[in-house]
Amino acid sequence: DAGVTQSPTHLIKTRGQHVTLRCSPISGHKSVSWYQQVLGQGPQFIFQYYEKEERGRGNFPDRFSARQFPNYSSELNVNALLLGDSALYLCASSLLGTNEKLFFGSGTQLSVL
Amino acid sequence: DQQVKQNSPSLSVQEGRISILNCDYTNSMFDYFLWYKKYPAEGPTFLISISSIKDKNEDGRFTVFLNKSAKHLSLHIVPSQPGDSAVYFCAASPISSSGTYKYIFGTGTRLKVLA
Repeated sequence: DAGVTQSPTHLIKTRGQHVTLRCSPISGHKSVSWYQQVLGQGPQFIFQYYEKEERGRGNFPDRFSARQFPNYSSELNVNALLLGDSALYLCASSLLGTNEKLFFGSGTQLSVL
Repeated sequence: DQQVKQNSPSLSVQEGRISILNCDYTNSMFDYFLWYKKYPAEGPTFLISISSIKDKNEDGRFTVFLNKSAKHLSLHIVPSQPGDSAVYFCAASPISSSGTYKYIFGTGTRLKVLA
């Protein structure tokens, strides 16, 4: 079975640009969460989606948005990129979206110049 | 406000010995805890979890202990192997009344197992 897949693996953007990151969850998983990991820190919660509805949002500005599609895949969008948005963006899927283990993808490394 | 803390940024252990990784938390509403291992250029890999109704959970070489009164959990790896060398994160999730299930991660401990 395929694990969580994310694309692209690496991305270089300049300040002010927009970026879209994509995630496909494990087959059968209905919940997708997004996390941002800055170098030297642990992953920080951005969004959780379950059955295409936003379940929760972390402490991130409105420049960050996401959605989940009918096939449970998800996109994370970031507008007006800042240097501080440079990070590893991790997508995680889980079966029910409750207190259960998360399965992470390998992430998208975003560099903003 | 760091609600989940891993105060040891790094740890070195001899192969075959026990590795003990520690994690402290401040929020008494946390009720589910997980440990993840992360290799460079890969996403975190789930190791083991524990619910707040338990004080110990074992899975092979990995055991997690939870001390709720001290708000402390630890991961024991016995015996340690060179392939265990990685960054280890603890994560905690609070009881949710809103339907949001989010994990708060510590900053990680880099484990190096010496052959």
